[in-house]
Amino acid sequence: NAGVTQTPKFQVLKTGQSMTLQCAQDMNHEYMSWYRQDPGMGLRLIHYSVGAGITDQGEVPNGYNVSRSTTEDFPLRLLSAAPSQTSVYFCASSYSLSVAGSGYTFGSGTRLTVV
Amino acid sequence: LAKTTQPISMDSYEGQEVNITCSHNNIATNDYITWYQQFPSQGPRFIIQGYKTKVTNEVASLFIPADRKSSTLSLPRVSLSDTAVYYCLVGEVNDMRFGAGTRLTVKP
Repeated sequence: NAGVTQTPKFQVLKTGQSMTLQCAQDMNHEYMSWYRQDPGMGLRLIHYSVGAGITDQGEVPNGYNVSRSTTEDFPLRLLSAAPSQTSVYFCASSYSLSVAGSGYTFGSGTRLTVV
Repeated sequence: LAKTTQPISMDSYEGQEVNITCSHNNIATNDYITWYQQFPSQGPRFIIQGYKTKVTNEVASLFIPADRKSSTLSLPRVSLSDTAVYYCLVGEVNDMRFGAGTRLTVKP
């Protein structure tokens, strides 16, 4: 099925561990982004990419790295996990920066707990 | 980035029309207005997007006055399954920021 696929769905990390959250889309979308959502709050933008090879920081980029080597994939790396990074992470993609009307397609999320 | 203000929560009953208003006084010329719906444990789902006047699709209408300093999402004849958090976003297509949203509860 077309859409945004995130793996894993759940993850528990120990403080200081590193890991990569995977995000893949099969809609040939140019734009991809990562958000985190803390309990009872809206989503906050971590990083985004406007195309392969191009990434930029969002509101809360500290502690996270991204890369965009292909149009389809946009992994999010936690360098050294901290309890403050316990959250639900959503990946999103959009067809074009200049064509409005379809908005973002979101993945189903990765629930991360750092102990 | 334009800041948005929307009610924290709203209650409605099945079959009623629900209007959720979002204020965005410092909206910029290039900014679009987009609404998303989010159910618990799911990612947000795009509802509707507009730039000015009125936009309608199969699930909602979006009303934007001429000054664009506010917008109203209209959900016709809501059902229990419309209970969710609704987010109003304002910005350029590549830089949308989420606020706290409006928690809509539809009662039988």
